[in-house]
Amino acid sequence: DTEVTQTPKHLVMGMTNKKSLKCEQHMGHRAMYWYKQKAKKPPELMFVYSYEKLSINESVPSRFSPECPNSSLLNLHLHALQPEDSALYLCASSQGVLERYTFGSGTRLTVV
Amino acid sequence: KNEVEQSPQNLTAQEGEFITINCSYSVGISALHWLQQHPGGGIVSLFMLSSGKKKHGRLIATINIQEKHSSLHITASHPRDSAVYICAVLTGTASKLTFGTGTRLQVTL
Repeated sequence: DTEVTQTPKHLVMGMTNKKSLKCEQHMGHRAMYWYKQKAKKPPELMFVYSYEKLSINESVPSRFSPECPNSSLLNLHLHALQPEDSALYLCASSQGVLERYTFGSGTRLTVV
Repeated sequence: KNEVEQSPQNLTAQEGEFITINCSYSVGISALHWLQQHPGGGIVSLFMLSSGKKKHGRLIATINIQEKHSSLHITASHPRDSAVYICAVLTGTASKLTFGTGTRLQVTL
């Protein structure tokens, strides 16, 4: 298995909802990442997990809460989001820092 | 000024043409990635370079560490190559990629 699988592919949520994005990989990669991408902009790093521990939080608002339950799974819990949080959320993984990344196809999130 | 600059921003080519996309960066790096993003959003990693040159099929990537410059070449371009090509650099020991703004390539028949 050489893929990063993200679910759901599309999500529409209200500002009072709680939802979660899921990312899964079975390549034995030890680093996993969440990126946010707005239209026609490059991805922006949100979080990095290394060996299941949060190693980087790019000053992301607390309404985004990451979780890494095991080495194959990365979640992003969403609560009380704003319409400006609407974006493509991309998950990626890599074996190590100096290794190629594998990206998921993303979750397109719309906050209404 | 961005730490990673790409040129051109937009590129239109006819099928079969040789294409070059350039990336310049202003910081010390440990590696440089070339990524491809199709309109649906998914990103594919094409190359990771720390020196020299790599080739995969019709794609060639080169990097000159002294000049802080990398190029991505596509030989015999095809409409399916139409995508956004993104250069991203890994700086220091942090697990953080700094992305260029991308080059939007359109290959026509």
